[in-house]
Amino acid sequence: GDSVTQMEGPVTLSEEAFLTINCTYTATGYPSLFWYVQYPGEGLQLLLKATKADDKGSNKGFEATYRKETTSFHLEKGSVQVSDSAVYFCALSDFRASGTYKYIFGTGTRLKVLA
Amino acid sequence: GAGVSQSPSNKVTEKGKDVELRCDPISGHTALYWYRQSLGQGLEFLIYFQGNSAPDKSGLPSDRFSAERTGGSVSTLTIQRTQQEDSAVYLCASSSVAGGQGDTQYFGPGTRLTVL
Repeated sequence: GDSVTQMEGPVTLSEEAFLTINCTYTATGYPSLFWYVQYPGEGLQLLLKATKADDKGSNKGFEATYRKETTSFHLEKGSVQVSDSAVYFCALSDFRASGTYKYIFGTGTRLKVLA
Repeated sequence: GAGVSQSPSNKVTEKGKDVELRCDPISGHTALYWYRQSLGQGLEFLIYFQGNSAPDKSGLPSDRFSAERTGGSVSTLTIQRTQQEDSAVYLCASSSVAGGQGDTQYFGPGTRLTVL
């Protein structure tokens, strides 16, 4: 079945460091891929998305490229800030011709950025 | 409304009691989703609605769980004869349509359920 695997945290970085959070997936169809973020005390919100192979999603300095050949959607940011401290979730949506639909989330990666 | 709302925000109940959780989606969103987030776990997809119809209920953990949606708007998730392992945060989300390419979900704040 469909699944999402992302690197375990916590990830602790200094401000202005480069960030990579790995995410790989398995899916039977052609899923859309997402990164969601949950800031402390807030609800989940979409960070970026990509709907087909080789698409790049970007937002707030974060980027992720939909790589079908490696079934990956790694999240990157060139220079993190303290305000990026949050939990990041990789997710996929897979809608099948049979009418079934799944939205699968990874377990989340906690990022802590130190000043 | 401006966003997805859920009630109650917190619910403490005794083992064996029934609970009902409510979700009010963003106005005009036809798709609605329920998730469960247990401590230290990711989000577990429970069920989704397209309009008032739930095409796939296989994600519900047991037959003690049921969900309904009426009028294409508010949804309730009911847990009968609650057990301690049901303790979790229950999240609701809505999107403009289910299954569309890149269907972004908008999440509510969640209901924290504690079963004593």
